[in-house]
This record gives sequence, C-alpha cells and structure tokens, in this order.
Amino acid sequence: SAVISQKPSRDICQRGTSLTIQCQVDSQVTMMFWYRQQPGQSLTLIATANQGSEATYESGFVIDKFPISRPNLTFSTLTVSNMSPEDSSIYLCSVEDLRGGTEAFFGQGTRLTVV
Amino acid sequence: KNQVEQSPQSLIILEGKNCTLQCNYTVSPFSNLRWYKQDTGRGPVSLTIMTFSENTKSNGRYTATLDADTKQSSLHITASQLSDSASYICVVSALGPSGTYKYIFGTGTRLKVLA
Repeated sequence: SAVISQKPSRDICQRGTSLTIQCQVDSQVTMMFWYRQQPGQSLTLIATANQGSEATYESGFVIDKFPISRPNLTFSTLTVSNMSPEDSSIYLCSVEDLRGGTEAFFGQGTRLTVV
Repeated sequence: KNQVEQSPQSLIILEGKNCTLQCNYTVSPFSNLRWYKQDTGRGPVSLTIMTFSENTKSNGRYTATLDADTKQSSLHITASQLSDSASYICVVSALGPSGTYKYIFGTGTRLKVLA
C-alpha cells in the first residue's frame, strides 16, 4: 500500500488569492490524480498529474485555474488560483501504482474555505 | 454515458443490524468495481475491488457482490458498529482508448449507525 501525506489539511483563504496543496507519497507511483469533492457530492477528477510533462485536465478544468506540478514519482502539487467562494471544497490527491495491481489510495484531503 | 448510481442516498440503522447498499452502473468497457468508505473529513479508503470475473469478495464484516450481467453491485455490512458511520462510495473503472483508466464515482450512500 501507499501512504499519502497531503497538506495543508484545511485552510481558509481570501477570495482572489491562491493556495498550493502538496501531495507526498512514501513510494514511487505510476499515476497521481487530483480530485475535488464539493459539499455533499462525490469526487470529481480534476486532472492526472504526469511526471515530467503537463497535466491532463478533465472537461471543465483548465491549467490556468488549477496548475499542477509533478517533478518526480513521489510528489505533486495542485494550486487553486484566483479563488472564489465557489472553489470551497475538499481537494484530494490519489495515487495508483499499476505495478502493484489496480489499487488506488487517497490522501486525507484538504478542506478549503474561500471567504 | 458512463454513470454510477447508488442507493439509498442515506440510511440510518441501529448498531448490530445488517444493511445492504446498492450500486448500478453503465460503464463500458468495464475494468473493475471498488467500494470505498469515507469517514467525514477524511479521504476514501478502499474496502473491496472486484474484476469482471469475481462475484463476491469479503473484507471482514463487509461483503461485496458483483453481477456483471445486470451491472449491479451491492455492499453488505454485517453486525454494524458505530464506526461504520460514513459515506460508502462505489467506483467503476473503465479502460480508455489510450490505455489509461477512467474512474466513475457514484454519489455515495451516507450511513449512520445509532447506538
């Protein structure tokens, strides 16, 4: 299994500012994903973080709003830019190591409130 | 359109009772189906993962079933405990044309176990 450390665990931010969320894994993993979970909703995939290249974004999400970095196989960041109250949500990092099967693991999430 | 529907949306049971959660999906091509438990304020944790050929899989008091013909799955919780109070999310993965997996999340069932 993979142990994922995600931080911050929560934050309250002013509208118009940006927040960078970090995701650290205790082992090298093939795939890293970023999800958003709005209140009372299920998870929505934002993007796949690709090591060494630009992230692959899902429909409705763009790089200017959610820039993602993945400098190596154990670390990724998601930035929520120019925040508005509609960005208030839980953001989750997920990893999957195809070499170990098809199990997926999630970080504990970052609860973001924009005021 | 790939979809995963869960029922009931919420459920309240007494401690010690059993319950069954349902998941219906229209996902193609099907790769695997997972059940996750998500405690409030935490990331999802995997309970079971089943491939096309598996009909049932257990993890302690949790037993998942899969009927690939009717595209239905269930999660049965036996002798419920207070700690079972959480959201249970059904996730179906499909193998995309580029060889990558796409995960379709259900909206979850919120279970509350009362003493």
